[in-house]
Amino acid sequence: AQSVAQPEDQVNVAEGNPLTVKCTYSVSGNPYLFWYVQYPNRGLQFLLKYITGDNLVKGSYGFEAEFNKSQTSFHLKKPSALVSDSALYFCAVRERGNTPLVFGKGTRLSVIA
Amino acid sequence: GAGVSQSPSNKVTEKGKDVELRCDPISGHTALYWYRQSLGQGLEFLIYFQGNSAPDKSGLPSDRFSAERTGGSVSTLTIQRTQQEDSAVYLCASSLGLDPPYEQYFGPGTRLTVT
Repeated sequence: AQSVAQPEDQVNVAEGNPLTVKCTYSVSGNPYLFWYVQYPNRGLQFLLKYITGDNLVKGSYGFEAEFNKSQTSFHLKKPSALVSDSALYFCAVRERGNTPLVFGKGTRLSVIA
Repeated sequence: GAGVSQSPSNKVTEKGKDVELRCDPISGHTALYWYRQSLGQGLEFLIYFQGNSAPDKSGLPSDRFSAERTGGSVSTLTIQRTQQEDSAVYLCASSLGLDPPYEQYFGPGTRLTVT
């Protein structure tokens, strides 16, 4: 069965610094990978996904993620953090076929001015 | 356009009562999903529908939980004989289909409190 791990409950970064939110996964075969963000008092929003092809995926709000098959990772990155990026970030994985999307427990990102 | 809507936004109920949670997906979305979000637990998958059928009910935590979808649109999640451990935010999402893996659009959730 597929699973996803977000090893950090909380990430703190200074505004203007690069940020990384980590995600590792476990699936049988090739995965579909997603990042979602939940801003305070708002619903989850899609950021980006990896299906196939280029390992570097670019998404909304300047975020990107790199699929690394050998390390089974899909870390979320942004070159320069904004205070408005402060939110709860979820990584999710799905196996190929009719399988559900499995979410990690989330990482709370705090960007400090 | 209109997003995914859920009702009620908040529900407080007494232990042992039944509750119904409603989800209106985005028009034209054939896939619909239910999740539960508990503090510190992330999102727990409950069930998904492709059209009106639910191929995978394995995520439902107990036989007190059931869900249906009619007309390929509105879905209701029913919890019978609620327990305190059912307290959580119940999220609904919809997508254009299952494959290729489309992004899911989430509703604002229903916060359920069982007293």
